[in-house]
Amino acid sequence: RKEVEQDPGPFNVPEGATVAFNCTYSNSASQSFFWYRQDCRKEPKLLMSVYSSGNEDGRFTAQLNRASQYISLLIRDSKLSDSATYLCVVNTNTGGFKTIFGAGTRLFVKA
Amino acid sequence: DAMVIQNPRYQVTQFGKPVTLSCSQTLNHNVMYWYQQKSSQAPKLLFHYYDKDFNNEADTPDNFQSRRPNTSFCFLDIRSPGLGDAAMYLCATSSPDRDISYNEQFFGPGTRLTVL
Repeated sequence: RKEVEQDPGPFNVPEGATVAFNCTYSNSASQSFFWYRQDCRKEPKLLMSVYSSGNEDGRFTAQLNRASQYISLLIRDSKLSDSATYLCVVNTNTGGFKTIFGAGTRLFVKA
Repeated sequence: DAMVIQNPRYQVTQFGKPVTLSCSQTLNHNVMYWYQQKSSQAPKLLFHYYDKDFNNEADTPDNFQSRRPNTSFCFLDIRSPGLGDAAMYLCATSSPDRDISYNEQFFGPGTRLTVL
């Protein structure tokens, strides 16, 4: 089992749709969680951190469920510019720092 | 603008010929990371420096080495590149104000390595 797993997609949605991505992680000692966005042939960029209480940034909402060991990202009112790969990142610093990226979920938003 | 710079953006090398990739940063961050990303795969951490302390991932092949001569620069040396080492190599930095695991990583644009 991979340490961080994501549905690879692709997700093909029309503009204005709501789309949700999930990510599961295997290490219960994991401490911090992030969603990064990666455009085609570009570097990853932080989209948002994920807090235990859940957090929202405009059209984006991130949730963390520690009991079930998954995080989610909800995108409302999708825009064409949201088309990208969304990477889930899980960090641990117990017995040494470790950062694990998921393979990403690809999103295509169509007009 | 403060940033992470990687040179070259594209590197072609021959099988077995040593190659060095470079990364520099103007963010004055004390942590620098090197990742390998193959097509449609996750970025995989090779190693990181926390200041001068080098931290190698357990599964990073010995073929990969790194140097950090000062805060601003970090190099990735591939001693004998194989065809399987063709990938995008990403450099990132972070500046932990507390536990390293809680901080955003800032990535450079990457160097795409081709091995002939």
